[in-house]
Amino acid sequence: RKEVEQDPGPFNVPEGATVAFNCTYSNSASQSFFWYRQDCRKEPKLLMSVYSSGNEDGRFTAQLNRASQYISLLIRDSKLSDSATYLCVVLGGATNKLIFGTGTLLAVQP
Amino acid sequence: EPEVTQTPSHQVTQMGQEVILRCVPISNHLYFYWYRQILGQKVEFLVSFYNNEISEKSEIFDDQFSVERPDGSNFTLKIRSTKLEDSAMYFCASNSNMNTEAFFGQGTRLTVV
Repeated sequence: RKEVEQDPGPFNVPEGATVAFNCTYSNSASQSFFWYRQDCRKEPKLLMSVYSSGNEDGRFTAQLNRASQYISLLIRDSKLSDSATYLCVVLGGATNKLIFGTGTLLAVQP
Repeated sequence: EPEVTQTPSHQVTQMGQEVILRCVPISNHLYFYWYRQILGQKVEFLVSFYNNEISEKSEIFDDQFSVERPDGSNFTLKIRSTKLEDSAMYFCASNSNMNTEAFFGQGTRLTVV
């Protein structure tokens, strides 16, 4: 099983759509969870951290289910500028290295 | 806003040559990292560095690679005897606490020819 596994994508959605990304992780001892965004040939940038209670930042909502080892990201009212690759990232239990999923490409169409 | 800076942005080198990739982490951060991303693939961990020593390294980080913090601000990755398969984006990252998000530099695109 991959350490961090994401939806394969790509996701092609119209402007204004709601889109959800899912991610699972294999290490139950993982401590911290993040969604990063990566534009083409650019560095990963933190979108939001993910907390057990769930958290929201504007149009973005992240959820964590520790029992199922499952993380999600919901984007409401998609904008053209949301087009990017969304990376599910997990911080290992006994380590400080970030483990990245392969990413899911989102293309928002006008 | 403080940021991680990397130089050069693009480096082309001949196979077998040595390269040094440079990074200036965010000034009050204590943990430093190198990651790489081969074109079309996922971001992979190479090495973490804390308190002037390597705290963890991946299988990729073999004897060909070394890291150094030569002064109070720079953090370097040296790749000896480069191979074609070393061509990738190399990202430096830092954070203030090992359990928090890491901030990434804009990357160095290494092309080995």
